[in-house]
Amino acid sequence: AQSVTQPDIHITVSEGASLELRCNYSYGATPYLFWYVQSPGQGLQLLLKYFSGDTLVQGIKGFEAEFKRSQSSFNLRKPSVHWSDAAEYFCAVGPTGGGNKLTFGTGTQLKVEL
Amino acid sequence: EAGVTQSPTHLIKTRGQQVTLRCSPISGHTSVYWYQQALGLGLQFLLWYDEGEERNRGNFPPRFSGRQFPNYSSELNVNALELEDSALYLCASQRQRYQETQYFGPGTRLLVL
Repeated sequence: AQSVTQPDIHITVSEGASLELRCNYSYGATPYLFWYVQSPGQGLQLLLKYFSGDTLVQGIKGFEAEFKRSQSSFNLRKPSVHWSDAAEYFCAVGPTGGGNKLTFGTGTQLKVEL
Repeated sequence: EAGVTQSPTHLIKTRGQQVTLRCSPISGHTSVYWYQQALGLGLQFLLWYDEGEERNRGNFPPRFSGRQFPNYSSELNVNALELEDSALYLCASQRQRYQETQYFGPGTRLLVL
């Protein structure tokens, strides 16, 4: 069965420091991969996606992610974190489950220290 | 271009009641997904509608149901509410059935007392 693992439940970084959020997936074929961000009490905003092609994907807000098939990973990175980046980040893989749904990781809560 | 909209934003119900949540997709999107985000359980897929038909459902009891209208908007109905139905219900829309990105609305927060 398809699954997504985000091994870090909480991460704290200082403003201006670099960030890497980890995501590992289990999927039988070439997956579609997504990173979404959720601010408290809000819906999910798409940061970036990978369908095919260049394995380094650029997203909004200065985020990027790299698809590594050999490691089944799709880690999210940002060179310099801003206080406004504090939120929960979800990695997702799709389509899964015989339909078209996304399977999400459990999320990583990012705290930014000023 | 307007994003996915959901109503109401918040809802308080008591156990045993019924609730209807509404979702309007992005203009031109034909697929609508419903997800439940309950505390400690993560994001769980509920239902998928495309072109007016239910295409797939997650591992939820039949008291969770819905429909999609000709204008592609959607309703999620939950009957016989239970305390554990308290959650954020997220709707997402997608431009076409496959190989596309899901865009999420702000969600409806349901509290069951």
